[in-house]
Amino acid sequence: AQSVTQLGSHVSVSEGALVLLRCNYSSSVPPYLFWYVQYPNQGLQLLLKYTTGATLVKGINGFEAEFKKSETSFHLTKPSAHMSDAAEYFCAVSDFRAAGNKLTFGGGTRVLVKP
Amino acid sequence: GAVVSQHPSRVICKSGTSVKIECRSLDFQATTMFWYRQFPKQSLMLMATSNEGSKATYEQGVEKDKFLINHASLTLSTLTVTSAHPEDSSFYICSARQEPYGYTFGSGTRLTVV
Repeated sequence: AQSVTQLGSHVSVSEGALVLLRCNYSSSVPPYLFWYVQYPNQGLQLLLKYTTGATLVKGINGFEAEFKKSETSFHLTKPSAHMSDAAEYFCAVSDFRAAGNKLTFGGGTRVLVKP
Repeated sequence: GAVVSQHPSRVICKSGTSVKIECRSLDFQATTMFWYRQFPKQSLMLMATSNEGSKATYEQGVEKDKFLINHASLTLSTLTVTSAHPEDSSFYICSARQEPYGYTFGSGTRLTVV
């Protein structure tokens, strides 16, 4: 079975500061990893994903994440926070080889950006 | 890019009535779609996996007779909440699996049962 743990349900950062959202996963097979962002009353928008290849993945809006197999981590970072980054962020894991190929989500991290 | 359209975005219904939510993949074929429920300030809970032309696979604890899922074509899946009650009020989100390694989400439906 797969699982995802996001450390910190809330993160507060100042505008212009580094954003770091932590994600650790558990998977019995090589995982496919995703980060999504959700704004209030909206669906999820893909920020980035890791499937195979380069472990440092760049996404939209200046976000990037690094897959570290030895640490079973996929932390999300952005060098400089913007007010528009205030949202809920979800890390997710999937095994495309498994029947159903469903996503397993972490509990989410709400980001607050202070001016 | 891939787009999944979900309708309606908001619906208010009376207790005891049924509500249908549609999820359409607009520019790709989706053999597999997923339905989630999200409570306020919580993560997404998978309700069921919908496969075109076959019965949906429900997660443990989800009432099949209350949450009817139909995936009649490669671009449309529907979720019908039957005999809705206030405790069914929630935010429902669909997702379509897109080859090779993607999932695209709808914009969600806010259901309020009064």
